[in-house]
Amino acid sequence: SQQGEEDPQALSIQEGENATMNCSYKTSINNLQWYRQNSGRGLVHLILIRSNEREKHSGRLRVTLDTSKKSSSLLITASRAADTASYFCATVRPGGSEKLVFGKGTKLTVNP
Amino acid sequence: NAGVTQTPKFQVLKTGQSMTLQCAQDMNHEYMSWYRQDPGMGLRLIHYSVGAGITDQGEVPNGYNVSRSTTEDFPLRLLSAAPSQTSVYFCASTRDRESGYTFGSGTRLTVV
Repeated sequence: SQQGEEDPQALSIQEGENATMNCSYKTSINNLQWYRQNSGRGLVHLILIRSNEREKHSGRLRVTLDTSKKSSSLLITASRAADTASYFCATVRPGGSEKLVFGKGTKLTVNP
Repeated sequence: NAGVTQTPKFQVLKTGQSMTLQCAQDMNHEYMSWYRQDPGMGLRLIHYSVGAGITDQGEVPNGYNVSRSTTEDFPLRLLSAAPSQTSVYFCASTRDRESGYTFGSGTRLTVV
């Protein structure tokens, strides 16, 4: 079964606004990753946060992780039309498991 | 260009036919995975491999076979195609479980 569950399923904002997407997962993790998928394309890795980290930044991206609540959030600041895409969280479990398990994604639309 | 190459990009099969989806990477990655993506379902893991000669099942392995004879290649075989296997298939690879995955551009398969 799928590990992550993104919220909301769809999000529409204006250019320049911030976009926040949430991910909840069911079991303990080794790390959590966020990916972007433009329409009709493959996925692109954005950022990885380890279970012992609480916050991570990469350019306009900010990811937080709360292992006590089994949740993560992805914040995109000052969004652009080019940020329009689907965003997925994915988790790797501890204990030697090599599986990367995805949620169903959030579809973000940034209107010019 | 370094990356994950999937062939073919599009394929139409008749029910009962068999075929192999090819995946090759030139980054010397040990870990490789196959996913299928269906509308509203996100990405589901079919099979994965942690090195040449080592494969394991993911969430939805039925109807698919894999083998990993070299580090570079990880083909996915459909034994007897069914309409339920109509989907977009993605191959992905990574150096280790602490790194993000690199995805191929996908194979869009239709079974009629």
